[in-house]
Amino acid sequence: DTAVSQTPKYLVTQMGNDKSIKCEQNLGHDTMYWYKQDSKKFLKIMFSYNNKELIINETVPNRFSPKSPDKAHLNLHINSLELGDSAVYFCASSQGSNYEQYFGPGTRLTVT
Amino acid sequence: QKEVEQDPGPLSVPEGAIVSLNCTYSNSAFQYFMWYRQYSRKGPELLMYTYSSGNKEDGRFTAQVDKSSKYISLFIRDSQPSDSATYLCAFYSGGGADGLTFGKGTHLIIQP
Repeated sequence: DTAVSQTPKYLVTQMGNDKSIKCEQNLGHDTMYWYKQDSKKFLKIMFSYNNKELIINETVPNRFSPKSPDKAHLNLHINSLELGDSAVYFCASSQGSNYEQYFGPGTRLTVT
Repeated sequence: QKEVEQDPGPLSVPEGAIVSLNCTYSNSAFQYFMWYRQYSRKGPELLMYTYSSGNKEDGRFTAQVDKSSKYISLFIRDSQPSDSATYLCAFYSGGGADGLTFGKGTHLIIQP
């Protein structure tokens, strides 16, 4: 059973398009995260979210927005995609605000 | 000064060697110190964590934290080809729904 899953695994799209990446966790965790890993493999937090608060990294453009239909899902919506958005996006989850985070397999986004 | 410094490597060693991986950090608010392992095209997975200064051992792996010097290390004994991966140091301040702060990762290659 996959603990944290993401779809799609690969996403190729053109500049200006709007796209979504889905994330689901079956661990019963109440906190979920989105991270971005750029071409230099640097992994950086974008959002953290539980049922009480959304914390946004101040460097994330407002074209990115997380949407959580329920505790098990945290989807990432990206508007007006730019070339610099090309990266691997990882979803993660934890129980409470916790150092022990479980990561999904990643979604490789390529913007052309 | 960057918040976390980690040599990206690659670091190539023969099978059976002792491997030493290191990170320095500048944020005194970090309370948890972790090592994540990331295989190619996979999500990071938690390998070890420590909370205080000192050593923590788990099988062939030893994590070491020196909070006074803001320096953490991961030692791998009797290294195996299956240890070939990128090792990311990670830090957590423990406040709110914060994400992890990662180093850039060290790419480790164990030669059979």
